[in-house]
Amino acid sequence: DGGITQSPKYLFRKEGQNVTLSCEQNLNHDAMYWYRQDPGQGLRLIYYSQIVNDFQKGDIAEGYSVSREKKESFPLTVTSAQKNPTAFYLCASSPHLAGGLHEQFFGPGTRLTVL
Amino acid sequence: AQTVTQSQPEMSVQEAETVTLSCTYDTSENNYYLFWYKQPPSRQMILVIRQEAYKQQNATENRFSVNFQKAAKSFSLKISDSQLGDTAMYFCAFMLYSSNTGKLIFGQGTTLQVKP
Repeated sequence: DGGITQSPKYLFRKEGQNVTLSCEQNLNHDAMYWYRQDPGQGLRLIYYSQIVNDFQKGDIAEGYSVSREKKESFPLTVTSAQKNPTAFYLCASSPHLAGGLHEQFFGPGTRLTVL
Repeated sequence: AQTVTQSQPEMSVQEAETVTLSCTYDTSENNYYLFWYKQPPSRQMILVIRQEAYKQQNATENRFSVNFQKAAKSFSLKISDSQLGDTAMYFCAFMLYSSNTGKLIFGQGTTLQVKP
């Protein structure tokens, strides 16, 4: 089955620790995205990537880092510099970066809780 | 900058009835796309319907239709014959046609409960 997988579903982290969220897609999509979802605020873009070895900051990139070494993978690291990391994180992909004609497909999400 | 506003945090509807969710947006651009996404309790985001701003005809997808008022910058979602499976959070989203980022700008969401 084609789709986007995110792991783990739930993640707990102690303050001061870095943690990496996994996102994998087998849709052969070029573009991938990371969004953060907080109650009452909708989704906000953290990082996006158009092609392998290239990525750009979104609206709330501070305290986060990403890599895009393979087309199908776009992991997100939440660093200790992120002040309020507890949130629901969604990964998405689309065939191309530009143009609303290309639907963004979302993964099932990872719930990160900082203890 | 573009913004999207959903002014109804929560709504409820009886099964088989019709409900309308509101969305307004602000942009100075003329060409863009608008979307409604559904997020059920599983939290999987699903695209419900899409509207191209250059199209005057309102988009429809089975029981889902939109009322797109470009001058008023309004994009409401109508769900007809509501079903229990429609219970979810609904997000309105905006994307510029000329976007070189593919960035979606989301509203705050409306939680819809369909009652039996």
